Parts: sequence; C-alpha cells; structure tokens
Amino acid sequence: DQQVKQNSPSLSVQEGRISILNCDYTNSMFDYFLWYKKYPAEGPTFLISISSIKDKNEDGRFTVFLNKSAKHLSLHIVPSQPGDSAVYFCAATPRAAGNKLTFGGGTRVLVKP
Amino acid sequence: NAGVTQTPKFQVLKTGQSMTLQCAQDMNHNSMYWYRQDPGMGLRLIYYSASEGTTDKGEVPNGYNVSRLNKREFSLRLESAAPSQTSVYFCASGPGGPYEQYFGPGTRLTVT
Repeated sequence: DQQVKQNSPSLSVQEGRISILNCDYTNSMFDYFLWYKKYPAEGPTFLISISSIKDKNEDGRFTVFLNKSAKHLSLHIVPSQPGDSAVYFCAATPRAAGNKLTFGGGTRVLVKP
Repeated sequence: NAGVTQTPKFQVLKTGQSMTLQCAQDMNHNSMYWYRQDPGMGLRLIYYSASEGTTDKGEVPNGYNVSRLNKREFSLRLESAAPSQTSVYFCASGPGGPYEQYFGPGTRLTVT
C-alpha cells in the first residue's frame, strides 16, 4: 500500500522547456511535503518543500504546487537544464510524527540539450 | 564540514553473515535515520532516532538493529544477512520536526 505515488517513472524534456513532475498521496494526515533530487551514486539532496497551509512555494527555477483536495502535488522546473537530469523523489510527512518521511518511487528526468 | 558520512561504500556478504553500517554527522542534528532504497520503491525508513538515547522502528525494521552511540553516530546492524537485504542503504540526519533531512552518500550492500 504505497501512500505516496509517482506514477511517471521517467520524463524526457528539451533543454529550456518546462519539466512537470507529479506526485499523489493517500494519507490525509500528511501535511508537509518535500522534493529531493538524486544523482547516481550519491545521496538525495533536498530541493524544495511546502506546508499544507500553502498551495504554492517557489525557489528560483523550482516551484511546487499543492492541491490538498486532490491529494496531489507537482514540481515545475523552468527552464530545464541538462544538470537537472536526475531522479526526483517526492516525500510526505505528518508534522506531528517527528519527520518520518514517506517517499514516492521516484521519477527519472532526462533533459536533452 | 563533511555533513553525513557513511562507511563502507560497498559490501558483499554471504547469507548468514553479520555486519554493521556506520553513520556519522557533524551538523549537530538531533535526529538521525536509516533508509533502504530498492528499484521502483523509493526510500523506505528502517529505523530512526529522534534524539540521542532514543530509537524507533520505521516502515521496514525486520532483520535490523540500530544503536545511537552518541549525538553524532547512528549505526545499523544486520545480524544474519539475507538476500532480501540486498539494497542501497542511506543514513540521514536532520534537526527534527518538519524540516529537511540531509543524506549520506549511501552503502551498496549485496548479499549472496
């Protein structure tokens, strides 16, 4: 029973265009969401987060949108760059649970020059 | 400032052997975590330690034990390795609460 799902295992996009990564969750107790980026043979690195009191959070080229009623979040990368080629994981937690993160299965992004 | 360090980077074990994965952080974080990553499964929490002196089970604790040796160090022990424990193991630390966690580079473990 996966509580956090990333239904697209891979995504290919042209350099300069927008990358849109999607994530769905089922647990209504989740109220804090994070996106991580992972290069091969490295640990995940934090990208951006959003609390359930917001519906959008922006940091440079990265924007996360949260639709609580649909239990859906998305990560937009604009413009996409070749260095963005990596695996992206979304994660969720109920803040009261001491930051026990539940991760999605990941989406592999390839940005073509 | 090394962040989160893990040793070893690679390990091959035979079924039934034991080993301990080491993790240390120098960011003065209260909380530390052990995850495993399997293809298509994302990262799954094995054990975590919310603060020095406490440990709790995560989603997949069976077959593992942990020790929070001090604030800096959190080790993961496999007492009797099984092929199902072949995975990449990541240690992470964080300030606790709803904040991001910082991950180490991982240990790739193969059990034959």
